[in-house]
Amino acid sequence: EPEVTQTPSHQVTQMGQEVILRCVPISNHLYFYWYRQILGQKVEFLVSFYNNEISEKSEIFDDQFSVERPDGSNFTLKIRSTKLEDSAMYFCASTQGPEAFFGQGTRLTVV
Amino acid sequence: GNSVTQMEGPVTLSEEAFLTINCTYTATGYPSLFWYVQYPGEGLQLLLKATKADDKGSNKGFEATYRKETTSFHLEKGSVQVSDSAVYFCALSVTGGYQKVTFGIGTKLQVIP
Repeated sequence: EPEVTQTPSHQVTQMGQEVILRCVPISNHLYFYWYRQILGQKVEFLVSFYNNEISEKSEIFDDQFSVERPDGSNFTLKIRSTKLEDSAMYFCASTQGPEAFFGQGTRLTVV
Repeated sequence: GNSVTQMEGPVTLSEEAFLTINCTYTATGYPSLFWYVQYPGEGLQLLLKATKADDKGSNKGFEATYRKETTSFHLEKGSVQVSDSAVYFCALSVTGGYQKVTFGIGTKLQVIP
């Protein structure tokens, strides 16, 4: 069964450092997303991406965040200068219809 | 805007007990409704879905019926197992070019032997 894959599964970084979270969406999907889940809280939408541009972004997705589809398969989320409050689980998703397929998540810990 | 309200946990049940987790929603447009499950230390898995009114989604003994008149999508299971212990998220997306998912806060279920 096709699936969304994310790497790494866990990343620890120092405050102020840049991190790149990687995702490989399902191959025939056209819409891609990043979500965030701070520990113990709800899953929040960050950004959606279609046709090589952002379709929608939330207020969480400020100038420190960026997304890119550098090639035909990867979809990345970059956090330019991490803050302690960026510590969370980050989920990538892709869709081609009403159902969103989520990856297993990357747990980002900022120390 | 779109929002999902679900009962806050934790919910603690004995094995073989009946489970109900309430979920109501508000949406602009006609939503598809979902229940996702997150097992400890794992990602989000789609448990079941319904895309139109009166549809019943079902999977692994769990069921939920799309009730447009009450804007609800309550999750039920007749007999829970210890392995059902997880966090359950009610969610919706509105049909359109892309499917941004709006999640409820999640309900932690703990099933004890």
